[in-house]
Amino acid sequence: DVVLTQSPLSLPVTLGQPASISCRSSQSLVYSDGNIYLTWYQQRPGQSPRRLIYKLSNRDSGVPDRFSGSGSGTDFTLKISRVEAEDVGLYYCMQDKVWPYTFGQGTKLEI
Amino acid sequence: QVQLVQSGAEVKPPGASVKVSCKASGYTFSSDHIHWVRQAPGQGLEWVGVIKATGETTRYAQDLQGRVIMTTDTSTSTSYMELRSLTPEDTAVYYCARDHCDHWGQGTLVTVSS
Repeated sequence: DVVLTQSPLSLPVTLGQPASISCRSSQSLVYSDGNIYLTWYQQRPGQSPRRLIYKLSNRDSGVPDRFSGSGSGTDFTLKISRVEAEDVGLYYCMQDKVWPYTFGQGTKLEI
Repeated sequence: QVQLVQSGAEVKPPGASVKVSCKASGYTFSSDHIHWVRQAPGQGLEWVGVIKATGETTRYAQDLQGRVIMTTDTSTSTSYMELRSLTPEDTAVYYCARDHCDHWGQGTLVTVSS
């Protein structure tokens, strides 16, 4: 199975400042169609995960443009350009290149 | 809009089975897969398995193989996840999610306790 390693696991941030979460994969997530199947989720307390970014860098509808995804075949980053209070929660990376889908351990973003 | 609505919370004794439903709407159910993901209290996300909505393909997490069965009913656009021989370690919120996990259900808390 593909192993995803997130860091840091806890991320204290200051409102208005940038934040960055890393996700490393045990194998390349480049699929035969040329896309990189790395997805980012936000999970607020008591809520279902919400997809923010898919195929490495595509923002879902309604996701603020302060969120961005980048990376190569095995190293990925979620960046928040200016943290807002509503961004508090857990963030997960997930690979959806192959079954079984696998998740990173999660990063807790706190103000 | 795409919606996945799950059945309500369950409390089961150890050794019992539970069956959770996930009713889809807002898209062509038969064209996609449904994934199931669980989250134990205070823990991360764990993929449970996947079923093609037409039912001909399933794949389960290795450590749940033999205890989990996923089915679908295309006439009602509903997917089901049954987990047997429950132990307290199966206590978790179980989510269904559409293909590539773009949309998620609200979650179903399954508590295994005597």
